[in-house]
Amino acid sequence: QVQLQESGPGLVKSSETLSLTCTVSGGTMYDFYWTWIRQPPGKGLEWMGYVHSSGRTDYNPSLKSRLTMSVDMSKNQFSLRLTSVTAGDTAVYYCARELGMWQPVDPWGQGIQVAVSS
Amino acid sequence: DIQMTQSPSSLSASVGDTVTITCRASQDIRNYVAWLQHRPGQAPKSLIFGASSLQSGVPLRFRGSGSGTDFTLTITNLLPEDFATYYCQQYDTYPLTFGGGTKVDIK
Repeated sequence: QVQLQESGPGLVKSSETLSLTCTVSGGTMYDFYWTWIRQPPGKGLEWMGYVHSSGRTDYNPSLKSRLTMSVDMSKNQFSLRLTSVTAGDTAVYYCARELGMWQPVDPWGQGIQVAVSS
Repeated sequence: DIQMTQSPSSLSASVGDTVTITCRASQDIRNYVAWLQHRPGQAPKSLIFGASSLQSGVPLRFRGSGSGTDFTLTITNLLPEDFATYYCQQYDTYPLTFGGGTKVDIK
């Protein structure tokens, strides 16, 4: 079965760029939508966006100006870059798979805690 | 964005109890609702999609219902492993949005 694992730094300095990678194992990345979702401490889940296996992306408008997602099919990985981070970007970041338009999100990774320091 | 209003935010129950969680969407989302279970330190797990369809391997004690704007997750015969936080999520319209969560803990 497909499994996802997030990796990246647990601490990023304010105004710098947060970069995370999700490694997919146990299945193909082809023709799926690969998604990032985050949860700030004490707050709800926020869908950040997706990158399709073709490279096509769609981002949450609230983050669009700072967000880039990409996919590397040869490494079975997809990535997130969030620029100009602030304390408000401190969160647990989850990667996940969307099966397609009007399809549920499943499975999810365990999540990675990222803190933004001043 | 579509707002998903979930209630209650928390509840206490005993093993063997039946609990009900509700979710209301700010607009018609047909049946494009999923329910997730999240245990601390684990990956969130999809339980139900299409408002009422169980994901493979999910026990029948989990039941989802509703369409349009009002949705319900019912868990019957609570087991110890069911104590967790549950979220509703709409996938009718981007950006995908989530309810605020319901923490189910042991009474």
